[in-house]
Amino acid sequence: AQKITQTQPGMFVQEKEAVTLDCTYDTSDPSYGLFWYKQPSSGEMIFLIYQGSYDQQNATEGRYSLNFQKARKSANLVISASQLGDSAMYFCAMRAINTGGFKTIFGAGTRLFVKA
Amino acid sequence: GAVVSQHPSRVICKSGTSVKIECRSLDFQATTMFWYRQFPKKSLMLMATSNEGSKATYEQGVEKDKFLINHASLTLSTLTVTSAHPEDSSFYICSARDPNAKNIQYFGAGTRLSVL
Repeated sequence: AQKITQTQPGMFVQEKEAVTLDCTYDTSDPSYGLFWYKQPSSGEMIFLIYQGSYDQQNATEGRYSLNFQKARKSANLVISASQLGDSAMYFCAMRAINTGGFKTIFGAGTRLFVKA
Repeated sequence: GAVVSQHPSRVICKSGTSVKIECRSLDFQATTMFWYRQFPKKSLMLMATSNEGSKATYEQGVEKDKFLINHASLTLSTLTVTSAHPEDSSFYICSARDPNAKNIQYFGAGTRLSVL
């Protein structure tokens, strides 16, 4: 069975500092994709970053980077130089190609609060 | 980036009426779209996978006769909540898979349904 776990229901970070949001996953499928989405209070899900299970390097997108530890089955999101606009709900997600088809499962989410 | 448009953003209806929600991929063709439901302060729950030109695949526990899905073209999927009841009140979000962008799912802005 596939599973995504986000153990931090809420996180606080000071503006301009870096923050790491944890995500662990479980799948028996050797081929999978990992995603992070941001959901501000408006409700829209915003794609942030993608990591493929066979990618050799950790994904980076601007201030977002994904710390991919395959052996540990973790895919933590690192946000550098936090901004007030980063305050939102963050979801980790996974799609296992062979066993999951194109279905993506989501973690419970982490609410990030950026303090001025 | 890819854009998915969802309409309406908010709808209030009387119990017993039907409500149609549209999801469009604006700059790519989506053979597969997904419909999610999100309860307050909860993660996304996949309701069904919408396949262009064929029947939708519903998740276990989702009533296919209540939540009708039509994927008539490569850019449009609709979700119709039939004979809506107050317990159907929720936030519904669609997403579309971009086959040209690592199958990343892009989300619509969501529809907040309130059934009186």
